[in-house]
Amino acid sequence: DAGVIQSPRHEVTEMGQEVTLRCKPISGHNSLFWYRQTMMRGLELLIYFNNNVPIDDSGMPEDRFSAKMPNASFSTLKIQPSEPRDSAVYFCASSFREGQPQHFGDGTRLSIL
Amino acid sequence: AQKITQTQPGMFVQEKEAVTLDCTYDTSDPSYGLFWYKQPSSGEMIFLIYQGSYDQQNATEGRYSLNFQKARKSANLVISASQLGDSAMYFCAMREGSRGGNQFYFGTGTSLTVIP
Repeated sequence: DAGVIQSPRHEVTEMGQEVTLRCKPISGHNSLFWYRQTMMRGLELLIYFNNNVPIDDSGMPEDRFSAKMPNASFSTLKIQPSEPRDSAVYFCASSFREGQPQHFGDGTRLSIL
Repeated sequence: AQKITQTQPGMFVQEKEAVTLDCTYDTSDPSYGLFWYKQPSSGEMIFLIYQGSYDQQNATEGRYSLNFQKARKSANLVISASQLGDSAMYFCAMREGSRGGNQFYFGTGTSLTVIP
């Protein structure tokens, strides 16, 4: 069975550029989560969706961050404009229902120069 | 107060021995869930085990078991018969709240090294 698929696996870009991270959740999963992991702050929940609807975006750090889920099989996390402090590993996860175990993608390692 | 506390930044265990990774949590919500994840050096996050607040028995999944002590608010992970492949970071996590209003928290992790 296909797990959560994230792309790209690695992204290196210059400060000020727009960055778009993509996620395909596990088929049939109704909840989707975006996390950011850094050495300093650990794993932080940025936003999560239930049935494609954003439920809690209180973890989104700034207006430069936005996330969408146009359908049940696709979500994006966009950073515009990007800054060096956005460098981190970004994980997408999905669960069958909210509150149930989340299954993570392999992450996108983002470096902003 | 921290929602999830993992007090052991690093642990060592001899291969084939059992090891316990500590996790305490803080919530006043009667409905919550506790999770453990493994993150090897390759970076992926692997779900290991789940315990619901209303579950009467401790969760077990193969060599993993969760020692759930509700009154103490602890959810320690026990790995039996450690293997070299168990060397990784281990994260305890909690979900509190109800559908449409859950909050999710992760601990800072424990680095486990299995010694041959």
